[in-house]
Amino acid sequence: KAGVTQTPRYLIKTRGQQVTLSCSPISGHRSVSWYQQTPGQGLQFLFEYFSETQRNKGNFPGRFSGRQFSNSRSEMNVSTLELGDSALYLCASSLVGAPEQYFGPGTRLTVT
Amino acid sequence: GQQLNQSPQSMFIQEGEDVSMNCTSSSIFNTWLWYKQDPGEGPVLLIALYKAGELTSNGRLTAQFGITRKDSFLNISASIPSDVGIYFCAGRDNYGQNFVFGPGTRLSVLP
Repeated sequence: KAGVTQTPRYLIKTRGQQVTLSCSPISGHRSVSWYQQTPGQGLQFLFEYFSETQRNKGNFPGRFSGRQFSNSRSEMNVSTLELGDSALYLCASSLVGAPEQYFGPGTRLTVT
Repeated sequence: GQQLNQSPQSMFIQEGEDVSMNCTSSSIFNTWLWYKQDPGEGPVLLIALYKAGELTSNGRLTAQFGITRKDSFLNISASIPSDVGIYFCAGRDNYGQNFVFGPGTRLSVLP
């Protein structure tokens, strides 16, 4: 069974731009969560989607948003990029009702 | 908010040695997950724990759900070079819908 895939793997943007990251969950997994990982803050929860609805949200500004499609694929968007948004963005999928989350390889975003 | 502490922050061991690391919380958790992350990759799930006192193994790895429900432990026996990486714990309580992650333990294995 294929794992979680994320595209692109690497991205360089400039301040003020916006970016969209994509995540395809493991087949059959309908819950998708997004995390931001930085050396200083570690892994921080952004949001979780299930059945195209945001089910849970972390403590991030409104510039961070996401959505989920009917095939469970998810995208997250960051608008008006700031230097501090440089991070590894990780997507994790899970079966409904199961706590185990399986991560993708991440998208490394660099904001210059 | 909830916070997890992991110790040690980093460790250097000789190949073949056993390793122990732990994760502590200020809150009671009902689920613990342990992950390993290699550079440039996403975390890989190693072990999941669901009840206090539970002891679960995955090959050379053994993890335990502390009886206080505020801690968890991971042991690696007979370490090998590919054990190098960062080990994260993640916990979730009865009320939270998302997992909280610890800062990680960086393991280096010397040949």
